[in-house]
Amino acid sequence: GAVVSQHPSWVICKSGTSVKIECRSLDFQATTMFWYRQFPKQSLMLMATSNEGSKATYEQGVEKDKFLINHASLTLSTLTVTSAHPEDSSFYICSARDRSSSNEQFFGPGTRLTVL
Amino acid sequence: AQSVTQLDSHVSVSEGTPVLLRCNYSSSYSPSLFWYVQHPNKGLQLLLKYTSAATLVKGINGFEAEFKKSETSFHLTKPSAHMSDAAEYFCVVSVYSSASKIIFGSGTRLSIRP
Repeated sequence: GAVVSQHPSWVICKSGTSVKIECRSLDFQATTMFWYRQFPKQSLMLMATSNEGSKATYEQGVEKDKFLINHASLTLSTLTVTSAHPEDSSFYICSARDRSSSNEQFFGPGTRLTVL
Repeated sequence: AQSVTQLDSHVSVSEGTPVLLRCNYSSSYSPSLFWYVQHPNKGLQLLLKYTSAATLVKGINGFEAEFKKSETSFHLTKPSAHMSDAAEYFCVVSVYSSASKIIFGSGTRLSIRP
């Protein structure tokens, strides 16, 4: 149980285009999902907290208009990188908190974004 | 504010020898602490978690960690390393808020020598 999927697992796009990444909780309902960014050989940095049916809460320094987050249902959150640039290239990881669990997060396998 | 410090960026041990990955935390409240493992180009897998129950926590794959409040530590250990243990390990502390955010340490890369 407690499986989180991400799609796509990797994506290559041209500079200036937008890319959407999906995060799904497959066998549980997630009222809260989190989006992280990981640079090579570095730790995970929280970008935003996504709550079902409400606006996402962004961490300091994360551009809201650049990284659009939508959490339309209890099993799906999406991250859209708008007008992507090479510096947006990174490993993006989502996690989901089971509404029945106090504070454990379950992580997706990640999406590697490369912007040319 | 909560924080977590992983004292070693890289640890290298021989196969069959003990593993010790060090983690210190800072929290004004009684924290929840976790250890996650990340294999190359893979997602994170929970090894174990401490949530104010027993101070010695046993996890998967033979790993365990001991919560020591007096030392504000939560070191990860394993009696005998296996080649498959080579990965990146993250110590994580919960943030005391309704959002249940967590904060990651900087990570420790564990290498296993044959």
